Amino acid sequence: SQQGEEDPQALSIQEGENATMNCSYKTSINNLQWYRQNSGRGLVHLILIRSNEREKHSGRLRVTLDTSKKSSSLLITASRAADTASYFCATDRPNDYKLSFGAGTTVTVRA
Amino acid sequence: DVKVTQSSRYLVKRTGEKVFLECVQDMDHENMFWYRQDPGLGLRLIYFSYDVKMKEKGDIPEGYSVSREKKERFSLILESASTNQTSMYLCASIGDSPLHFGNGTRLTVT
Repeated sequence: SQQGEEDPQALSIQEGENATMNCSYKTSINNLQWYRQNSGRGLVHLILIRSNEREKHSGRLRVTLDTSKKSSSLLITASRAADTASYFCATDRPNDYKLSFGAGTTVTVRA
Repeated sequence: DVKVTQSSRYLVKRTGEKVFLECVQDMDHENMFWYRQDPGLGLRLIYFSYDVKMKEKGDIPEGYSVSREKKERFSLILESASTNQTSMYLCASIGDSPLHFGNGTRLTVT
């Protein structure tokens, strides 16, 4: 069953601006991951944050995790046209390889 | 680099046909998954497999079956395709995290 829900559903920003999207989930998790999907393609892994971590950085990406609120945020700084894509959060539970995905946030970066 | 290859990017089939979607991974991963992706619903797990000849139902297995005769290959079977199975199908494999996805098969059932 669907565990994560992204917010907003869609986001349109100017090149150079930051993009922030949020993910909420329902049950205890082991890890939370963010994936990107370019139009018509499969998903590509961006970043993983473990349940005992609060913040993680990877290049222009910053992920936070608040397990007390069961929520995560993904920040893309200094956005580029190439960041135009759909972004999905996915969670897995302890001792379970299965990932549950949200419906995604579609980000459009205008040149 | 892990490669997950789905045999077809686009497929058009008629209602009632038996449809095979093939997926091959080259990293000796034990775990493989089939998801379908629909607008507004995200990815939903159809079936997964932990090892050769092992399969387990995901969240929406009805109307589907799978086959895992070799470690590198995981096939999704639509026994009798219906129009509500028109969707994007994504195969994935995993050793340790993260999941590695194929590029997807967009199936249209008419």
